[in-house]
Amino acid sequence: DVKVTQSSRYLVKRTGEKVFLECVQDMDHENMFWYRQDPGLGLRLIYFSYDVKMKEKGDIPEGYSVSREKKERFSLILESASTNQTSMYLCASSLTGHPKGYTFGSGTRLTVV
Amino acid sequence: AQKITQTQPGMFVQEKEAVTLDCTYDTSDPSYGLFWYKQPSSGEMIFLIYQGSYDQQNATEGRYSLNFQKARKSANLVISASQLGDSAMYFCAMRATNFGNEKLTFGTGTRLTIIP
Repeated sequence: DVKVTQSSRYLVKRTGEKVFLECVQDMDHENMFWYRQDPGLGLRLIYFSYDVKMKEKGDIPEGYSVSREKKERFSLILESASTNQTSMYLCASSLTGHPKGYTFGSGTRLTVV
Repeated sequence: AQKITQTQPGMFVQEKEAVTLDCTYDTSDPSYGLFWYKQPSSGEMIFLIYQGSYDQQNATEGRYSLNFQKARKSANLVISASQLGDSAMYFCAMRATNFGNEKLTFGTGTRLTIIP
């Protein structure tokens, strides 16, 4: 069964910490995405990548960066975590043009205290 | 820019009844795809159904069908004979199918609760 794996299901971090959220897919997909999900706001795109070492800003990139050194891995980095980054983070991957869209990971619920 | 609007934050439906979840969209792209995803309380997003903007027929997948009305820019999800396991968040999403674009734009979601 194809999978997108996010390294942590729940994470609690302190304000100001550097936080790494890891995402690995085993489907050889070119495209990978990071979204955050907040009640009443749906899913908002943070960053995405269409190829190794390529990254593009989504709709809400402020306070985040990403790294894609290998095709299967896409990391989201919170340089200095803040309480307003408390959220559910969803990683997804896709095959270009595939009609089923994305395959999602199970999500990481991050709490910044 | 693309926009998805889901106007029903929450719905309560009796088990075995049919459910319609509303979705309207706005885009200037001539070619696009529309998606519905289900998110149970466990958190994972499950793909349900896809409709291409040039598809002649409405998409169906088992108990799910997509009522696509292009002129109205609506893509409502219909669930027939609802079950308790259908209780979840449902998201409508769209993607412009121009070359090089793989981004999905999501709506705010509808929380569906099925009542026994």
